[in-house]
Amino acid sequence: KNEVEQSPQNLTAQEGEFITINCSYSVGISALHWLQQHPGGGIVSLFMLSSGKKKHGRLIATINIQEKHSSLHITASHPRDSAVYICAVIPFLMKTSYDKVIFGPGTSLSVIP
Amino acid sequence: DGGITQSPKYLFRKEGQNVTLSCEQNLNHDAMYWYRQDPGQGLRLIYYSQIVNDFQKGDIAEGYSVSREKKESFPLTVTSAQKNPTAFYLCASRRQGRTTGELFFGEGSRLTVL
Repeated sequence: KNEVEQSPQNLTAQEGEFITINCSYSVGISALHWLQQHPGGGIVSLFMLSSGKKKHGRLIATINIQEKHSSLHITASHPRDSAVYICAVIPFLMKTSYDKVIFGPGTSLSVIP
Repeated sequence: DGGITQSPKYLFRKEGQNVTLSCEQNLNHDAMYWYRQDPGQGLRLIYYSQIVNDFQKGDIAEGYSVSREKKESFPLTVTSAQKNPTAFYLCASRRQGRTTGELFFGEGSRLTVL
């Protein structure tokens, strides 16, 4: 079982639809990232959160630490939102001073005009 | 503006040749990472470094080497020992400390072996 899972794997939406992408993880974490990767390959960090909810424009990210679950919502979706969305967690390690990032497999979103 | 610069963006290599991918950051971050991405797959960690002159193997380090002589720079060499080097390579960095720093990524380097 992967430590970070995302659903759905692929998503096609009509322009204007409300979109939700889910992320579940099995390790204790100090933070969770939502990342966006466009077809060119570059990755941009959308949110980093460790509790509650964050909003930026049409994007909203929530996290429930007890349930080990996070969601990324896109309101009024637009074709330019078409990208791969990746959930990444930074595990909380008690015994060491370093940490590594664990990436989910990504959700490929296509928004059709 | 601060950020991460990777070069070259595209690189072609003949079999048996070593190539070096550059990664430079001006964010004053301590931690730097190299990831490999293959089509339809998630990012896999090759090497990471938490501090100058120190680095650790990631999950797929075989056939790769790195150095961290300066805080700003973390070059990755893909050696001829890497059996399947054609892939997209991403460099990332983040601040380490008592609070968790946000991840920043470069634009990536696409390596093709001819």
